[in-house]
Amino acid sequence: AAGVIQSPRHLIKEKRETATLKCYPIPRHDTVYWYQQGPGQDPQFLISFYEKMQSDKGSIPDRFSAQQFSDYHSELNMSSLELGDSALYFCASSLLNRGYTFGSGTRLTVV
Amino acid sequence: DQQVKQNSPSLSVQEGRISILNCDYTNSMFDYFLWYKKYPAEGPTFLISISSIKDKNEDGRFTVFLNKSAKHLSLHIVPSQPGDSAVYFCAASGSGGSNYKLTFGKGTLLTVNP
Repeated sequence: AAGVIQSPRHLIKEKRETATLKCYPIPRHDTVYWYQQGPGQDPQFLISFYEKMQSDKGSIPDRFSAQQFSDYHSELNMSSLELGDSALYFCASSLLNRGYTFGSGTRLTVV
Repeated sequence: DQQVKQNSPSLSVQEGRISILNCDYTNSMFDYFLWYKKYPAEGPTFLISISSIKDKNEDGRFTVFLNKSAKHLSLHIVPSQPGDSAVYFCAASGSGGSNYKLTFGKGTLLTVNP
């Protein structure tokens, strides 16, 4: 069965650079969620989209933005990267807000 | 304010014994609870879930118990196997609007010793 696909798996950026993370949800899932997990931390909710519209917003910095496209894939854009942005970024998708499935994550390292 | 709490950061059990992982929550709007297993540098893998209309859900070696009055749930793994060694996250969500997002506990590292 198709899972949630995230790319890239690993990303190294320098401070003040920008990064774009991509998420391809499970086909026919209507909601995409982005989470950030810092070292030794629990996953923190960033933002979600339902049917291509932003549905909820968590602790997402103003330097970050996200959108969901017509094919339902989502992109998390991160600008003016800081060392503290180094984390695992997970995308999850769900149908009717149940049955959340997570991708394998993107490990972002800011140097 | 941690709405989902896993008070045991780690747990160590012997292979073949029962593992019991606990989780408490404070938000009475939560009505759906999930357990995820996570290996380093990988995404959380769904294990089992339970709706607030139930008090028990079983799937193979995994059973989740929900005590709504105590706002407490637990995951039982029996028998435990070395391959179960991972971090286990408890997560909760509600219904309607912004309640659908998952709120995670901080995780419990389970080590199953051969």
